[in-house]
Amino acid sequence: EAGVVQSPRYKIIEKKQPVAFWCNPISGHNTLYWYLQNLGQGPELLIRYENEEAVDDSQLPKDRFSAERLKGVDSTLKIQPAELGDSAVYLCASSAIFGSTDTQYFGPGTRLTVL
Amino acid sequence: QKEVEQNSGPLSVPEGAIASLNCTYSDRGSQSFFWYRQYSGKSPELIMFIYSNGDKEDGRFTAQLNKASQYVSLLIRDSQPSDSATYLCASYSGTYKYIFGTGTRLKVLA
Repeated sequence: EAGVVQSPRYKIIEKKQPVAFWCNPISGHNTLYWYLQNLGQGPELLIRYENEEAVDDSQLPKDRFSAERLKGVDSTLKIQPAELGDSAVYLCASSAIFGSTDTQYFGPGTRLTVL
Repeated sequence: QKEVEQNSGPLSVPEGAIASLNCTYSDRGSQSFFWYRQYSGKSPELIMFIYSNGDKEDGRFTAQLNKASQYVSLLIRDSQPSDSATYLCASYSGTYKYIFGTGTRLKVLA
């Protein structure tokens, strides 16, 4: 079974430029998450989708970040304009219920460097 | 703020020893707990999860949960240098919300 796919793996941009990340979840996983992870920290939720619907975006900085999940499968996360403080790893994860608990799996992440 | 707390480490153990990683959580409504391993520069990889009080074993790994004390632990038996990584503990509240700790860095010394 293929895992969560993300692209690009690395991105270097100058501040004020736009950037977009793409994620393809594990087949059959209806729940998709975007996390941000800074060095030495755990993943922090940005947005969660149930199928096409964003059901938790309370931590998403909506002035510069946007996300979409058309058709309830692939998702994109966009930053416009990027700031120096956005440098981090952006992780996509998907989850499904196995047995009696929801189980989440991560993609390889996109490491963003803003210069 | 509902939190998951871990000692950042590093926790150093000799090869072949038992590594004990600990995690506490504040939300009594948490239903399940997950341990992820994260190598430097890589994404978190699921090791195992636990949702019932007691122990759950999977190979060299044993997860322990004590809901009364709000405490979760991961034991790694016969630790190997390849086990050197950061171990993330996460709680799941049943509303598709995962809260992660900051991770404990484990170093297994050859």
